Amino acid sequence: AQSVSQHNHHVILSEAASLELGCNYSYGGTVNLFWYVQYPGQHLQLLLKYFSGDPLVKGIKGFEAEFIKSKFSFNLRKPSVQWSDTAEYFCAVNFVFGPGTRLSVLP
Amino acid sequence: GAVVSQHPSRVICKSGTSVKIECRSLDFQATTMFWYRQFPKQSLMLMATSNEGSKATYEQGVEKDKFLINHASLTLSTLTVTSAHPEDSSFYICSASRDSYNEQFFGPGTRLTVL
Repeated sequence: AQSVSQHNHHVILSEAASLELGCNYSYGGTVNLFWYVQYPGQHLQLLLKYFSGDPLVKGIKGFEAEFIKSKFSFNLRKPSVQWSDTAEYFCAVNFVFGPGTRLSVLP
Repeated sequence: GAVVSQHPSRVICKSGTSVKIECRSLDFQATTMFWYRQFPKQSLMLMATSNEGSKATYEQGVEKDKFLINHASLTLSTLTVTSAHPEDSSFYICSASRDSYNEQFFGPGTRLTVL
């Protein structure tokens, strides 16, 4: 069975701080990896995805993620967060979602 | 583009009644639609995957007779919660995809409260 874990339940940062959200999965088959974001009061939307090729993928709004196959990880990063990045972030492997990480960015 | 709508956004019903939730892809053809359930402060739990014109594939532990899914066209899927009970109260979210393993576009969700 597939499972997805996210390291942090709630992350609090100040503006301009760097961000890294951890995501690990357990599954031996082919994986398609996603990060979704849900801003307050809005739908889930895709941040970035990885299917194959370059393991460093760039998404919208300055986010990027790196797939490390040997570590079964797909961590999300952003060099400098903004207040508008406050949201819930979900890592997904195929159709299985992680528990989510709430990011609060303080102005 | 790629907008998915759900109707209703909120429904309150009595125990024992059935409730139908619609999921529509407004500007694209969705060969695959997904239904999720989200409990408070928890992640999304995939309930079932449906492909247009075929029977839905349910995840383990999801009662197919209780959660009826119909995907009659490339733009519409419905979830019917039959004989609803208070424990069925939850937030139900649908998503649609142009193909099975591509990006999913999510609807706004439906809050079901069973009294």
